[in-house]
Amino acid sequence: DADVTQTPRNRITKTGKRIMLECSQTKGHDRMYWYRQDPGLGLRLIYYSFDVKDINKGEISDGYSVSRQAQAKFSLSLESAIPNQTALYFCATSDSPGQGSYEQYFGPGTRLTVT
Amino acid sequence: AQSVTQLDSQVPVFEEAPVELRCNYSSSVSVYLFWYVQYPNQGLQLLLKYLSGSTLVKGINGFEAEFNKSQTSFHLRKPSVHISDTAEYFCAVSEGGTSYGKLTFGQGTILTVHP
Repeated sequence: DADVTQTPRNRITKTGKRIMLECSQTKGHDRMYWYRQDPGLGLRLIYYSFDVKDINKGEISDGYSVSRQAQAKFSLSLESAIPNQTALYFCATSDSPGQGSYEQYFGPGTRLTVT
Repeated sequence: AQSVTQLDSQVPVFEEAPVELRCNYSSSVSVYLFWYVQYPNQGLQLLLKYLSGSTLVKGINGFEAEFNKSQTSFHLRKPSVHISDTAEYFCAVSEGGTSYGKLTFGQGTILTVHP
């Protein structure tokens, strides 16, 4: 079974709709991240969480919100989707400094299309 | 603030030829450096990382990279590529030490290996 799972894998929605992307991990990591990937721009950080009670904005948080329901779960919401939020979204996890590999583990991605 | 520039958006190469993918970064603090690979329709996988110590870092699948602090570069190399190396490659940087966590990615380099 995959260590980091994302649901849904693909989603088409209309402008103005609220949508939630979910991420679960079985690696036992405290730290979780949401990135979006756009062609030619690489990946950009939307939000990150270093533990259940810690939520921080990343580089491009406008139009997004997150919820850290448990150590293993981190959800990303688009309150009112707009077409320029069409992108590939990745969830990632990592352990804390000094505890392990300094590697981020990525989920398979959610392809979101806003029409 | 940190930034990463990947100097080539696309690199075509023939099978068994050597390849170098270039990455430059800027940061006012000490950093950790990473190369990730993304195969079509998949998430990202860590190729290698530089945290400290030897500036020549070896990773998976025969890749290696050299950290050059004076030139703020972290170029990725492979002496002989295979068709299966066709993928998109991302250079990324994080603050070092206890500030590790948020990754800043470059724009990506698409490596295409031709027979």
